[in-house]
Amino acid sequence: GENVEQHPSTLSVQEGDSAVIKCTYSDSASNYFPWYKQELGKRPQLIIDIRSNVGEKKDQRIAVTLNKTAKHFSLHITETQPEDSAVYFCAASKGRGNQFYFGTGTSLTVIP
Amino acid sequence: NAGVTQTPKFQVLKTGQSMTLQCAQDMNHNSMYWYRQDPGMGLRLIYYSASEGTTDKGEVPNGYNVSRLNKREFSLRLESAAPSQTSVYFCAGTGGASTDTQYFGPGTRLTVL
Repeated sequence: GENVEQHPSTLSVQEGDSAVIKCTYSDSASNYFPWYKQELGKRPQLIIDIRSNVGEKKDQRIAVTLNKTAKHFSLHITETQPEDSAVYFCAASKGRGNQFYFGTGTSLTVIP
Repeated sequence: NAGVTQTPKFQVLKTGQSMTLQCAQDMNHNSMYWYRQDPGMGLRLIYYSASEGTTDKGEVPNGYNVSRLNKREFSLRLESAAPSQTSVYFCAGTGGASTDTQYFGPGTRLTVL
């Protein structure tokens, strides 16, 4: 089955700096890579996703890049703000009807 | 739309007791999932249902059973609860208008004493 690894497990940045979280996957058949943000005591919520036919996707301060050859994808948050503080999870899947495999999460702290 | 809903929100059980966690969705999801979340271990799949009438084991199915009652409802049953099943349980759904996007319910915090 698929194996998703996520690094780092914790990350602290100064407000305004950028944050990068990296994930690797093992199954070359995976074609859908979502990122979730989970605030304390809340449910995971999708913040951005990318499909295997795309190399990069941006949504305001958030971007995701995918390298299919190396089987890794990354989340980039620019101009970080205190409200970005949360746990972020990456995942890999073959799409609807299939399993989603999650990384173990990155706890991001943005220091004001 | 209520989205994905779960009941109960909190539950305390004694070892050996049984209970059923309920999940319902009104987003026309074809696929539904049950995860458990433990500190430092991310989200681990217990069971999933790719479509109405089908269920499959995930990464950690031991001690659990599921029922896909209809397209809207997917329940998780603990027949004889153990302290190792203390966790936060999330139900999720994909498919329908949301295509691949997975939407999560609010979670059930379960403690087994």
